[in-house]
Amino acid sequence: QKEVEQDPGPLSVPEGAIVSLNCTYSNSAFQYFMWYRQYSRKGPELLMYTYSSGNKEDGRFTAQVDKSSKYISLFIRDSQPSDSATYLCAMSTGRRALTFGSGTRLQVQP
Amino acid sequence: DSGVTQTPKHLITATGQRVTLRCSPRSGDLSVYWYQQSLDQGLQFLIQYYNGEERAKGNILERFSAQQFPDLHSELNLSSLELGDSALYFCASSIGTTNNEQFFGPGTRLTVL
Repeated sequence: QKEVEQDPGPLSVPEGAIVSLNCTYSNSAFQYFMWYRQYSRKGPELLMYTYSSGNKEDGRFTAQVDKSSKYISLFIRDSQPSDSATYLCAMSTGRRALTFGSGTRLQVQP
Repeated sequence: DSGVTQTPKHLITATGQRVTLRCSPRSGDLSVYWYQQSLDQGLQFLIQYYNGEERAKGNILERFSAQQFPDLHSELNLSSLELGDSALYFCASSIGTTNNEQFFGPGTRLTVL
């Protein structure tokens, strides 16, 4: 079993929809949680960074961490075709390298 | 633009050859990380350097090696290349030694024929 599980998708939604992306993990020592966006053949771009449990909002993006359930989410409001990309969750204990999910491919249809 | 630069963008070479990939971190960042991304393996951590010293090792093959120079740029050397080494290689950087808020470069696409 992988340490971080992420549904590969693809997830197809109409423009303007609310998108929910999720990851589950097994290592209770993870404290730092990140979401990256990766366009095809480009470098991952850091979208959201959160420490421990709670919510964080940045524009149309909201990251949620539920450590009790070992579950993290990224919500995208008013999704745009330009949001079409692969979204990678990543997490760390702070002492080890980042562990990435396999990524969810999102397609926002105009 | 993350501020991390990588060269070259593309590299095509033959099996058995040796190549060097180069990375310059963001200004002020002391840590450099190398990752390999292939279709069936996702993003795999290879190695981390902090201020010139090796800090952490991941799934890096013995045929691969890296170093970080006094000006903080880093090089990843891949030798005795095999077809399976074809992948995207990313460099990332962060301010400190903890593995958080890493900023990725655009990557080098390596094709081994």
